[in-house]
Amino acid sequence: EDQVTQSPEALRLQEGESSSLNCSYTVSGLRGLFWYRQDPGKGPEFLFTLYSAGEEKEKERLKATLTKKESFLHITAPKPEDSATYLCAVLGNSGYSTLTFGKGTMLLVSP
Amino acid sequence: EAQVTQNPRYLITVTGKKLTVTCSQNMNHEYMSWYRQDPGLGLRQIYYSMNVEVTDKGDVPEGYKVSRKEKRNFPLILESPSPNQTSLYFCASSLTAGSEQFFGPGTRLTVL
Repeated sequence: EDQVTQSPEALRLQEGESSSLNCSYTVSGLRGLFWYRQDPGKGPEFLFTLYSAGEEKEKERLKATLTKKESFLHITAPKPEDSATYLCAVLGNSGYSTLTFGKGTMLLVSP
Repeated sequence: EAQVTQNPRYLITVTGKKLTVTCSQNMNHEYMSWYRQDPGLGLRQIYYSMNVEVTDKGDVPEGYKVSRKEKRNFPLILESPSPNQTSLYFCASSLTAGSEQFFGPGTRLTVL
């Protein structure tokens, strides 16, 4: 059974204070690891897909990295508009096409 | 505009009264899925569909049914809703299971 654990559950940062969110996963063969952003009351919005260890992707102040056991979402000099819940999900090689999500990290960036 | 639509957005119903939540996408995606989101439990996949007439169970399929008769539509059916199905439901679509998913705006369901 695929498992995803995200930490911390919640994170409060000052504007400009860089940090990282963690996503630890257990899968029987990784087909893809996904990062989404979710604003309150809205559907998740896609950020990145990572497929193999060592891969990195960037978008504005966000950078996602992947190892064989975990992924990090680095946030550089965050702004208040980066406040959201960040979700990590994995697609494994179990023969099914079920996406398993972590419980998310709620990020609050104060001005 | 590329989008996933869900209806209704809000629904309050009573135990045992059959209901359907519709989901439609205009991106010609093959993969569609339904999730429920509950506080402390996160997003959990209910059912997914790889293509027309091809559906399969996710992690929490009990009490739900789906059908995929057309590529663009993927309705979620609750034959006999119960209070433990009170939740926020999301429909999503993507080109394949391994590509980025586009989520709908959500349906907040309350079963009394």
